[in-house]
Amino acid sequence: VVTQEPSLTVSPGGTVTLTCGSSTGAVTSGHYPYWFQQKPGQAPRTLIYQTSKKYSWTPARFSGSVLGGKAALTLSGAQPEDEAEYYCLVSYSNSVVFGGGTKLTVL
Amino acid sequence: EVQLVESGGGLVQPGRSLRLSCAASGFTFDDYAMHWVRQAPGKGLEWVSGISWNSDNVAYGDSVKGRFTISRDNARNSLYLQMNSLRPEDTALYYCAKDTSTGTYYFYGMDVWGQGTTVTVSS
Repeated sequence: VVTQEPSLTVSPGGTVTLTCGSSTGAVTSGHYPYWFQQKPGQAPRTLIYQTSKKYSWTPARFSGSVLGGKAALTLSGAQPEDEAEYYCLVSYSNSVVFGGGTKLTVL
Repeated sequence: EVQLVESGGGLVQPGRSLRLSCAASGFTFDDYAMHWVRQAPGKGLEWVSGISWNSDNVAYGDSVKGRFTISRDNARNSLYLQMNSLRPEDTALYYCAKDTSTGTYYFYGMDVWGQGTTVTVSS
């Protein structure tokens, strides 16, 4: 089971870290963690791949890391448009598993 | 432009079958592994199945193992999901997604997503 905080709240301009853990042990870079953003009525959008790599469409305020046995997504300088559901994904060789998602509120 | 377009969803009775398709364009389809991911109404994302670039490796989530079959036709740039013995709990929006890495046996994660096709299993 891959675990995420069910919900988090951040103030506009503030910083928040979302985490992604595993019931089977530490999440490491060897699990190639991914992070996805999903807004209501839209398909998911990939923000971070393989721990910390970004795409051309990934806002610079998002960053990924592995910290304390968990994958982490840090949002620095939150904007109202960052309010969304965020999912992590962990690779276990021949399968991948999504976390349950974190609903991020910018308020 | 990289694009994935799913089709084949619909309303189906429990126990029946359905075949989903995904048409890919804008990238070299046969370089990449592909995935099916689903999302039940109001719920989170669930990985359904993955297939390597050359179909040597296929894998399934526990909830669909033995009932669903993933396949691909690289000549047609298409991905498929054959769904048999459908259950009400299979009701979901089904997304086709492209894996990040090229020419690999194992799966990593998704970088491009389609808009999904809806499957409803109900009598």
